[in-house]
Amino acid sequence: DSGVTQTPKHLITATGQRVTLRCSPRSGDLSVYWYQQSLDQGLQFLIQYYNGEERAKGNILERFSAQQFPDLHSELNLSSLELGDSALYFCASSASLGPSGEQFFGPGTRLTVL
Amino acid sequence: GNSVTQMEGPVTLSEEAFLTINCTYTATGYPSLFWYVQYPGEGLQLLLKATKADDKGSNKGFEATYRKETTSFHLEKGSVQVSDSAVYFCALSDPGGGADGLTFGKGTHLIIQP
Repeated sequence: DSGVTQTPKHLITATGQRVTLRCSPRSGDLSVYWYQQSLDQGLQFLIQYYNGEERAKGNILERFSAQQFPDLHSELNLSSLELGDSALYFCASSASLGPSGEQFFGPGTRLTVL
Repeated sequence: GNSVTQMEGPVTLSEEAFLTINCTYTATGYPSLFWYVQYPGEGLQLLLKATKADDKGSNKGFEATYRKETTSFHLEKGSVQVSDSAVYFCALSDPGGGADGLTFGKGTHLIIQP
């Protein structure tokens, strides 16, 4: 158990809909990352937040957005969903900034868009 | 941009065999290098890391050496067990990229047969 929790575990929805994925980082970790894992694209970094502020963006679509709240939990919002958005979405957290730090991954949310 | 290339497999070995999973990278700066492991139905776990050239990361009998001259970080284990069956991801974090998000390879599915 990494200490990172994600809800829901599974989500099934239809094209055009909007969903929100939730992540609670390990206690005390200020940095949160979101990743997408799909069969064709592999694991891709989407976005990073640090202590409530957006720090970096990766391959995140404009239809997707995220935020980190004062209690440090984070939400990833996916809108106007398409079939190709079906994937596993992982949240990770780390205690500090910097490229050498360990990231602790949650169990993921599996999104299926029908 | 940054990229990681690794053999995708599946790689099938017998128990007690020697394991090598090749990983090469391209980065703009001086990255930190990681191996993560994903067991079925779980999130990723850090297996080992190296933060500078010639560093050797090791954990649970697995080793990898950061080779700057060949831009490689090959994963090795002398004697694999059935419990090592999982998907292994090579990844990098590049401080020159302005973000701490990880760039992953496609993953190598390892199957160990008794």
